[in-house]
Amino acid sequence: DTGVSQNPRHKITKRGQNVTFRCDPISEHNRLYWYRQTLGQGPEFLTYFQNEAQLEKSRLLSDRFSAERPKGSFSTLEIQRTEQGDSAMYLCASSFSGANGYTFGSGTRLTVV
Amino acid sequence: ILNVEQSPQSLHVQEGDSTNFTCSFPSSNFYALHWYRWETAKSPEALFVMTLNGDEKKKGRISATLNTKEGYSYLYIKGSQPEDSATYLCAFSANTDKLIFGTGTRLQVFP
Repeated sequence: DTGVSQNPRHKITKRGQNVTFRCDPISEHNRLYWYRQTLGQGPEFLTYFQNEAQLEKSRLLSDRFSAERPKGSFSTLEIQRTEQGDSAMYLCASSFSGANGYTFGSGTRLTVV
Repeated sequence: ILNVEQSPQSLHVQEGDSTNFTCSFPSSNFYALHWYRWETAKSPEALFVMTLNGDEKKKGRISATLNTKEGYSYLYIKGSQPEDSATYLCAFSANTDKLIFGTGTRLQVFP
């Protein structure tokens, strides 16, 4: 297991387009989290899954954002009709039941032009 | 609203200097306090997870202390090296569901 993997590393898209990011967590971890980091801020919680169930969604996550974890393994985060304010680093992390720290991926940097 | 604050925002030190950062967090509903190191173009790396008041943890030249009653944690780096240059993030959790991060302390160590 090589840790948490995120793809793509970078994504540049035009405003109004849809984008999808993928996260492959550590296989033994049942929890998967999505965070977003903008310049000068710490990572902000977006949503998390326990196995395939989405247990919590932040109010930061507008209706344009949707996340799935269909088989309790990898997850996708889709942003529809992107806006310039969506430009950020999107981080994925996994853990075993939230204990003993999270393992983060390297993130997907989204730039909306 | 749960607020986690870190200070200083950034720090420039010479190689060999020792340094410390502060993280303050809500003292109520405490579950755990996490420290991460985040180097540019890499993934955040877990340093410590601390749960007990008075806890002290050490990893090489880096150590951390925890005071849950007053809501603060210190991270110390002894004899800073250029490879310690990174952003150091602390994160508070009230349960196992999610982490609330501070804005980080950006450390630059000059040779």
